[in-house]
Amino acid sequence: GQNIDQPTEMTATEGAIVQINCTYQTSGFNGLFWYQQHAGEAPTFLSYNVLDGLEEKGRFSSFLSRSKGYSYLLLKELQMKDSASYLCAVTDSNYQLIWGAGTKLIIKP
Amino acid sequence: SAVISQKPSRDICQRGTSLTIQCQVDSQVTMMFWYRQQPGQSLTLIATANQGSEATYESGFVIDKFPISRPNLTFSTLTVSNMSPEDSSIYLCSVGDREAGELFFGEGSRLTVL
Repeated sequence: GQNIDQPTEMTATEGAIVQINCTYQTSGFNGLFWYQQHAGEAPTFLSYNVLDGLEEKGRFSSFLSRSKGYSYLLLKELQMKDSASYLCAVTDSNYQLIWGAGTKLIIKP
Repeated sequence: SAVISQKPSRDICQRGTSLTIQCQVDSQVTMMFWYRQQPGQSLTLIATANQGSEATYESGFVIDKFPISRPNLTFSTLTVSNMSPEDSSIYLCSVGDREAGELFFGEGSRLTVL
């Protein structure tokens, strides 16, 4: 079956760095996405990786290793507003979007 | 980007009734998607709304329970029929190019079925 694993919850301190991991097993691969979802709100797109390596976008970076079926989202200089759920999603060979359950990130002062 | 308006934003419904959720996009889009997000869980695709033809439903979802309309390229509706408490969820309308990966979501409609 198709599966995406990410930690259920993480806690970090304001100003610090946190890495949220995502591993996947899917039928083929056409891209990996990270979305941010604040409580009670809709998900918003953060990043897209289709080739191996690191994609940097401001305080957020996303890394992909296709051979390992692994990605991480790196958040630097954490702010209280970064408290949210972070969803990892993968498109398989049929461009079916498979969603992880999300990682709830709690930022403490 | 796309701006998506959904309504109602929330509703409390009685068992056995039906509710229609509307999704309006500020630009013409080819594909519109309807997702469900149950409390504490990730997104589950219900169906893809196709303009001019029947929606394409995912495994576990059927047209009788979740009829969908797509009269034009900027609007779609999802009806949750004969509701039960198990249908209590957030329903999200989404547009975008799944191949490109970036989806835009409406604010969601939070349904509570008593």
